[in-house]
Amino acid sequence: GAVVSQHPSWVICKSGTSVKIECRSLDFQATTMFWYRQFPKQSLMLMATSNEGSKATYEQGVEKDKFLINHASLTLSTLTVTSAHPEDSSFYICSATTGDTQYFGPGTRLTVL
Amino acid sequence: GENVEQHPSTLSVQEGDSAVIKCTYSDSASNYFPWYKQELGKRPQLIIDIRSNVGEKKDQRIAVTLNKTAKHFSLHITETQPEDSAVYFCAARYTGTASKLTFGTGTRLQVTL
Repeated sequence: GAVVSQHPSWVICKSGTSVKIECRSLDFQATTMFWYRQFPKQSLMLMATSNEGSKATYEQGVEKDKFLINHASLTLSTLTVTSAHPEDSSFYICSATTGDTQYFGPGTRLTVL
Repeated sequence: GENVEQHPSTLSVQEGDSAVIKCTYSDSASNYFPWYKQELGKRPQLIIDIRSNVGEKKDQRIAVTLNKTAKHFSLHITETQPEDSAVYFCAARYTGTASKLTFGTGTRLQVTL
């Protein structure tokens, strides 16, 4: 099946710093990728839809200036959490679609101290 | 937009028994309904999906049923095993690679010996 990778798998950073997370589709091209955030024992909450070659579409309540998304190629999307704060600590998961099926990356656990 | 409700939030069954998880959706335009299994700290994995032109689909011990009129769909797991213990999410969307999935709130299934 299709494989989506994500890097890093975990990151610890100081408050106020920025963190970049990469999402790659390894064996297929994805014009659209999605970024989710998942807090403990909760469902996946869609943050934004990443479109190759154009601006991302953010869900209501998600700050586009804080969560910068770049989809520079058909296999790579990046999420940058700018000026991270402890409340941004969460599990960030990307996904990419081929056909009808959406495949998820392994997730990045972000801890902001 | 689409709204997906999922019940129950937790489910405990004995090994060998069946488990049923139910979801309802609000948007009659939705025509694709996947189910994902997520183990602790890992990515959601697609286990089965169904499209609106089909009423039922089965894959070994897992089956999904869809009632378009009532906007209900359900996951059935028979002969449960301890490795079935995980969180299960239903989702809905209309087909198209750029269409976003709307997830249910999840069901934590515990299979006891």
